[in-house]
Amino acid sequence: NAGVTQTPKFQVLKTGQSMTLQCAQDMNHEYMSWYRQDPGMGLRLIHYSVGAGITDQGEVPNGYNVSRSTTEDFPLRLLSAAPSQTSVYFCASSYKLDQVDDTEAFFGQGTRLTVV
Amino acid sequence: GENVEQHPSTLSVQEGDSAVIKCTYSDSASNYFPWYKQELGKGPQLIIDIRSNVGEKKDQRIAVTLNKTAKHFSLHITETQPEDSAVYFCAGRRGIISNFGNEKLTFGTGTRLTIIP
Repeated sequence: NAGVTQTPKFQVLKTGQSMTLQCAQDMNHEYMSWYRQDPGMGLRLIHYSVGAGITDQGEVPNGYNVSRSTTEDFPLRLLSAAPSQTSVYFCASSYKLDQVDDTEAFFGQGTRLTVV
Repeated sequence: GENVEQHPSTLSVQEGDSAVIKCTYSDSASNYFPWYKQELGKGPQLIIDIRSNVGEKKDQRIAVTLNKTAKHFSLHITETQPEDSAVYFCAGRRGIISNFGNEKLTFGTGTRLTIIP
């Protein structure tokens, strides 16, 4: 099991460029989510998905798009990068909550994004 | 929505002493409270969690306590070791039924724990 895999690990973008952060999990988890981590602000939820074809916004969705065409993959797209999107991005996955005793969220290693 | 506050933001402890990190939450419907440890350059990793039908849970040197009435929960690390140095996050979530929207974890702002040898 590889767990949750994020690519790339580091990325520098120019303002206005677009890119996709990749996230894949091999644990057959239904629930996947994207967080951004900024100093002093903890982890804030960007978007999440409870299964293939179903996504919804989190706390800070503006400037980001997601899709979930398969159970395994949950890419995060930056439409037009801005310096305010400089952050560390984490993808996480877990089973759905109806499997009560197994709801641990597993995180990827993160993508450090700098927008100049 | 849920709001989770975490204190202190930084904590330095002599090796062998105990460390305590405290969190409060606002949503009385929250019933699952995990703690994550994040080492430098890595993603957060679950170290212990507690559900609202339990007041305390222990796992070797780590324990978590929950006071539902006061809406606060705490992480206790005893006999601290240098490898305990990391950033710790608390979090809260509501629901055990998979209703759309109940699955969201809300995180505290983190505590940087430094163990002094």
